[in-house]
Amino acid sequence: SQQGEEDPQALSIQEGENATMNCSYKTSINNLQWYRQNSGRGLVHLILIRSNEREKHSGRLRVTLDTSKKSSSLLITASRAADTASYFCATDGDSTLTFGKGTMLLVSP
Amino acid sequence: DTEVTQTPKHLVMGMTNKKSLKCEQHMGHRAMYWYKQKAKKPPELMFVYSYEKLSINESVPSRFSPECPNSSLLNLHLHALQPEDSALYLCASSQEWAGSRDEQYFGPGTRLTVT
Repeated sequence: SQQGEEDPQALSIQEGENATMNCSYKTSINNLQWYRQNSGRGLVHLILIRSNEREKHSGRLRVTLDTSKKSSSLLITASRAADTASYFCATDGDSTLTFGKGTMLLVSP
Repeated sequence: DTEVTQTPKHLVMGMTNKKSLKCEQHMGHRAMYWYKQKAKKPPELMFVYSYEKLSINESVPSRFSPECPNSSLLNLHLHALQPEDSALYLCASSQEWAGSRDEQYFGPGTRLTVT
């Protein structure tokens, strides 16, 4: 299965701290995407990084990709309570998007 | 308009009922998707429509029947469901279905409970 594995499964931090989530996958990819899901709601696309890119930024988000290690990380800087959500990486193997198991992030005021 | 809408938000149905979930987008996207998500699990792909044609059916039981009446609408017809089918059903769309290399836009989901 191409399903990514996020690490940690859950993360609890204080507002203002940085949060780092990791994603590992098994086979080669064309791109890797990160999505956020607030409790019981739809997913929101955060960032897409292509296999020939090593790092990408979007606002307070920084994503890295290491294809040699088949891993990616998502860094959220200066976290806010509103960042509380589940975060999923998604890879595009086998022509469909496959989501990892997700990291639940709790940001306390 | 970058919104995908889904109706209803919540649905409770008995195992003998027939109901439909609806999804709509007006972004001109040519690929639309149905996902099923159980609590604390990632979304699982059910169906992919590309240019209004069913491109992928991930071995979904026939009690789930998708329909794409036009490029903006996607339906999921439900019949004789089981309690284990209770889940959040998510609709998504993307510019193209190019091996899922585009970002997907998700609706808020329909919370389905089968009694």
